[in-house]
Amino acid sequence: AQSVAQPEDQVNVAEGNPLTVKCTYSVSGNPYLFWYVQYPNRGLQFLLKYITGDNLVKGSYGFEAEFNKSQTSFHLKKPSALVSDSALYFCAVRVPNRDDKIIFGKGTRLHILP
Amino acid sequence: KAGVTQTPRYLIKTRGQQVTLSCSPISGHRSVSWYQQTPGQGLQFLFEYFSETQRNKGNFPGRFSGRQFSNSRSEMNVSTLELGDSALYLCASSLAGQNSNQPQHFGDGTRLSIL
Repeated sequence: AQSVAQPEDQVNVAEGNPLTVKCTYSVSGNPYLFWYVQYPNRGLQFLLKYITGDNLVKGSYGFEAEFNKSQTSFHLKKPSALVSDSALYFCAVRVPNRDDKIIFGKGTRLHILP
Repeated sequence: KAGVTQTPRYLIKTRGQQVTLSCSPISGHRSVSWYQQTPGQGLQFLFEYFSETQRNKGNFPGRFSGRQFSNSRSEMNVSTLELGDSALYLCASSLAGQNSNQPQHFGDGTRLSIL
């Protein structure tokens, strides 16, 4: 069965430091991978996606993610964290032509400490 | 371009009642998906509609139903409400639906509280 895991419920990072939010997936086939961010009392906002091609994907607000097929991971990264990056982050996966549902991870709460 | 609009933003109901939530997608988007978000279960897929047809559904009881109109607006209905139905209900639209590489655009949700 398809699944996506975000192993950390919460990540704390000091402002200005690099941040990483982890995501691993378990699917058969070639997945489409997405990252979304959710601010309080708001819906999810799309950050970036990996479909095919270059393993390093750049997205909104200075975020990027690296697709690693051998480790089945798609970690979200940013070189220098801002306090305004504090939010809930969701990884999502879909396998084309199989089931066609998008599966979301449980989310990781990112706290950027001033 | 207007985003995804969900109404109402907040709703309070009592057990046994029914509720209808509305979602207006981004203009031109034909796919509308619904999700339930709770602190314990995270984000769970309810169903997806594309061109007025339900294309996919999650593992929710039949009390949860939906429909999509010809203008792509969608409604979700929950009957015989239970305390466990208290959640944030999110609607997302996309151009081509979940079987594409297009991202989903989410509304700000309807927060449903059951007393």
